[in-house]
Amino acid sequence: GENVEQHPSTLSVQEGDSAVIKCTYSDSASNYFPWYKQELGKGSQLIIDIRSNVGEKKDQRIAVTLNKTAKHFSLHITETQPEDSAVYFCAASKGGSYIPTFGRGTSLIVHP
Amino acid sequence: KAGVTQTPRYLIKTRGQQVTLSCSPISGHRSVSWYQQTPGQGLQFLFEYFSETQRNKGNFPGRFSGRQFSNSRSEMNVSTLELGDSALYLCASSPTDNTEAFFGQGTRLTVV
Repeated sequence: GENVEQHPSTLSVQEGDSAVIKCTYSDSASNYFPWYKQELGKGSQLIIDIRSNVGEKKDQRIAVTLNKTAKHFSLHITETQPEDSAVYFCAASKGGSYIPTFGRGTSLIVHP
Repeated sequence: KAGVTQTPRYLIKTRGQQVTLSCSPISGHRSVSWYQQTPGQGLQFLFEYFSETQRNKGNFPGRFSGRQFSNSRSEMNVSTLELGDSALYLCASSPTDNTEAFFGQGTRLTVV
């Protein structure tokens, strides 16, 4: 089955710095890679996703890059703000009836 | 459109007891998945229901079970609770396969 590794488990940055979270996956058939942000008391929400026919996707301060050959994808947050502090989960999915496999999460702390 | 609703939000149970958690997916979503989230293990997949049928199952003991009703609402049941079952249980619904999962806020279960 699919295996998703996520690093780092904790990331501490100063406000205004950039943050990068990396995930690797094992199943080359995976073709959908979402990122979720989990805030205390607010549940988890999709913040950005990418499909395997795209190498990079950007939405304001958030971007995701995908390297299919190396089987890794990364979340980039620029100009971090304290409200970016949360747990971020990556996932890999291959469509059909397969359920997505999640990474273990990264706790991002942005210090004002 | 209402989001995914999980009830109750918090539960305290004693070892040996059983518990039932409820999840109401977004209207029109037929796929409902359940996850167990613990600090050390991240999001662990429990099972997925689609049109009242269990379509996928994770590696959890038989004490964990679930079902889905004709209106797509889902319940999960844990019998003979153990201390290690203390966790945040998340439910997610999806409209179709390989698309964004919409998470509920979770049920925080504490077993004492």
